[in-house]
Amino acid sequence: DAGITQSPRYKITETGRQVTLMCHQTWSHSYMFWYRQDLGHGLRLIYYSAAADITDKGEVPDGYVVSRSKTENFPLTLESATRSQTSVYFCASTTTTNYGYTFGSGTRLTVV
Amino acid sequence: GQSLEQPSEVTAVEGAIVQINCTYQTSGFYGLSWYQQHDGGAPTFLSYNALDGLEETGRFSSFLSRSDSYGYLLLQELQMKDSASYFCAVSLTGANNLFFGTGTRLTVIP
Repeated sequence: DAGITQSPRYKITETGRQVTLMCHQTWSHSYMFWYRQDLGHGLRLIYYSAAADITDKGEVPDGYVVSRSKTENFPLTLESATRSQTSVYFCASTTTTNYGYTFGSGTRLTVV
Repeated sequence: GQSLEQPSEVTAVEGAIVQINCTYQTSGFYGLSWYQQHDGGAPTFLSYNALDGLEETGRFSSFLSRSDSYGYLLLQELQMKDSASYFCAVSLTGANNLFFGTGTRLTVIP
């Protein structure tokens, strides 16, 4: 099915563990993004990518790593999870960076 | 840095009209977008304004005044299903991403 999918939908992990959140889109959109959503903060950009092998930091990149070896995939890795990284993570993609983002269903991550 | 201000909560009656305001302070403003998010769901794109004026899409309209650094989302003939959070977001010249406000939670009551 065409669209943007995130996995897992829910994840509980322990402090200090590495965890990877997956994002896959089928439109061949150039741009992909990772946002986190916390109460009172809205959506904050973690990392984005303009194309395969091109990534850049957003507003809150510390503690996260991304890669984009293929246009359709944009995984987000928490190298050593901390409780402050408990959040809902949204992946998004678009053909033009000014508007029209399509978001995935999100991953609710809890770090205990 | 960038800042966007929008009310945290708005309540309106079914069938009425509601306006959600957004003021912004940015460098290199390019355009203003609006997104809707239902509880537990993903944000979905509603509208975009790059030029001053009103854009209409069905029951929803969005307005932008670049000189006032201000925009609003207007929802007409409110329905219960319009209860959701609404985010304004700015796109900036020279940037490849959107900066989001903290959202306005709209509650529609019978």
